[in-house]
Amino acid sequence: KQEVTQIPAALSVPEGENLVLNCSFTDSAIYNLQWFRQDPGKGLTSLLLIQSSQREQTSGRLNASLDKSSGRSTLYIAASQPGDSATYLCAVTGGSYIPTFGRGTSLIVHP
Amino acid sequence: GAVVSQHPSRVICKSGTSVKIECRSLDFQATTMFWYRQFPKQSLMLMATSNEGSKATYEQGVEKDKFLINHASLTLSTLTVTSAHPEDSSFYICSAGSGTGVSSNQPQHFGDGTRLSIL
Repeated sequence: KQEVTQIPAALSVPEGENLVLNCSFTDSAIYNLQWFRQDPGKGLTSLLLIQSSQREQTSGRLNASLDKSSGRSTLYIAASQPGDSATYLCAVTGGSYIPTFGRGTSLIVHP
Repeated sequence: GAVVSQHPSRVICKSGTSVKIECRSLDFQATTMFWYRQFPKQSLMLMATSNEGSKATYEQGVEKDKFLINHASLTLSTLTVTSAHPEDSSFYICSAGSGTGVSSNQPQHFGDGTRLSIL
């Protein structure tokens, strides 16, 4: 059974810092990995999707990498802003076609 | 881009009431939709996979008679919480992938969720 772990569970940083959020998974036989953002009491917003054949994806200040063999992905946030404050979730989709989620990293960026 | 609409966003009702939550894919057809439940500060736990035109597949420990799922069309799946009790209070979220079925190169799109509070 796939297990997804996200570290750290919580992070508080001053505005402007570059951040790295980590996601690890136990079964490397995946189709894709997706990073989401969730604001309090809200649904999920997809940030980046990395196919199993890809190494990274970029969108604006966000960069996600994937190392399938080691079961790891990182989400890099450049020049963080208070508006980036949210919970960041990673989800891995494998042979069952059902996304398995980590518990998320709660990020606070203070001015 | 693809959008999934979930309604209602919030429900507050008395114990014993049945509550229906709708999940619609607005600009794509989804033969498969997923229903998740999220407790405070916890991750999303898959409840069931909704299959268009056939019975839903429930995860272990999820009561199918308690959480009724209907996926009558390619754009709509509903989750009905029957005779809801306070322990059913939670955040429920649906998701769907564009294209036919669940494809490896298609992202999952999520609804905004439904906050269910049973008094």
